[in-house]
Formats: sequence, C-alpha cells, structure tokens
Amino acid sequence: QKEVEQNSGPLSVPEGAIASLNCTYSDRGSQSFFWYRQYSGKSPELIMSIYSNGDKEDGRFTAQLNKASQYVSLLIRDSQPSDSATYLCAVARGLYNFNKFYFGSGTKLNVKP
Amino acid sequence: GAVVSQHPSRVICKSGTSVKIECRSLDFQATTMFWYRQFPKQSLMLMATSNEGSKATYEQGVEKDKFLINHASLTLSTLTVTSAHPEDSSFYICSARADRDRDQETQYFGPGTRLLVL
Repeated sequence: QKEVEQNSGPLSVPEGAIASLNCTYSDRGSQSFFWYRQYSGKSPELIMSIYSNGDKEDGRFTAQLNKASQYVSLLIRDSQPSDSATYLCAVARGLYNFNKFYFGSGTKLNVKP
Repeated sequence: GAVVSQHPSRVICKSGTSVKIECRSLDFQATTMFWYRQFPKQSLMLMATSNEGSKATYEQGVEKDKFLINHASLTLSTLTVTSAHPEDSSFYICSARADRDRDQETQYFGPGTRLLVL
C-alpha cells in the first residue's frame, strides 16, 4: 500500500466550475498535509498547508482534512485554464521535527476554456 | 518570502563526468534541505535529507557514494552526481525547510535542474 494515494486523472472541468482533488494516506499518525501545484517542466509550488480537521480557505482554494477517514482534499472554485497542472498531495508524519514528505503520484487537472 | 534557487538550471555532460548542483535558500536559513529526483511523467522521489553540519540521510536504494551531498552552511546544499551515466538523466529538485517555521513542516522548492547525460 502506498503512503499517499491520488487518482492520476486527468480530471477535466470546464472553466468556472469547481475542481475537486482527493488524496488518501495510510499512516494514521500523519500530522501535516500539503497541496502543491506543478506545471509541466517546472518544480512544485506550494498552494496550501493544513494541520487540523476541517476546512481551510485561501482565495479560490479550500483544503479539507478528515483525519478519522485519512483523507485530504483540495477544492478549486471558479477554475481557470491557468489552473491546469498536476496537483501533488504531500503528507508528513510530524509537526516540528523536519520530517520528510510522502508525495502522491499527482492528479492532472485540465480546465477547458 | 521563501525563495530557493538552484544552479545550474540545465546541464548536459558526457558519461563518466561529475556534475555539481547547488541549492540555496535566498531569504531564510535552512538547517534541513531535501533532494528529489523526478523522471518524466512520474512523481517526486526523495533521494536524501540534507542537514547542515552533519551527514545526509539517504533513502533506500540511493547510492550515497554516487550522489554526494554537502550542506556546509545554513543557506547552501550541494548535490554532486559522480561518474554520471545516461540513466542518471533526470530532473533534480531541492527543497528547503525554513528554520523560522517552528510550527510547520512546509518545504519550499527550488526551480529544479535538468540533467542530461550523453
């Protein structure tokens, strides 16, 4: 079983729609969760981090965490063609101790004009 | 901000030569940096965790004698690919964790170095 699982996609949504990206993780002790966006040929850029159960909103992005279900998601509202990229879910076991990340394989998102 | 730079951005070398890649945190100190490798259409694979002033911790299957890591200061880590071969051609990306982020594990990524070994 992989540490972090994501549907590879591609996930296609029309411009202006809500894109929903999902991620599950296997280690129940995980405490830090991140979403990164990676454009083709580029390195990952941080979108959001989340540490507590519930929702966290930042602009058009909302991260949702459910530790009981070992599930983290990212919602992108009003999707734009520029949001087309691969979205990586990353999980760390710790909170303070410079823990390494476990990355999912990424979900490719296509936002169609 | 939290800016991480890498140099070079792209390198082409002959098989058997060594290549050094630099990773710098520009506006923060980073006791811990990470080195990743990414092959086309695949996700990031952690190669090693680099700690300032101590030996790097390598992931299983990564040859420490082939991928030399030196983290000599709080803003600089280097990865040297020794005796590079075509199968080492990949996208190498470093990340850094800011020492000031005492309650977070966020990693900030450099722009990556694309290595092509002929």
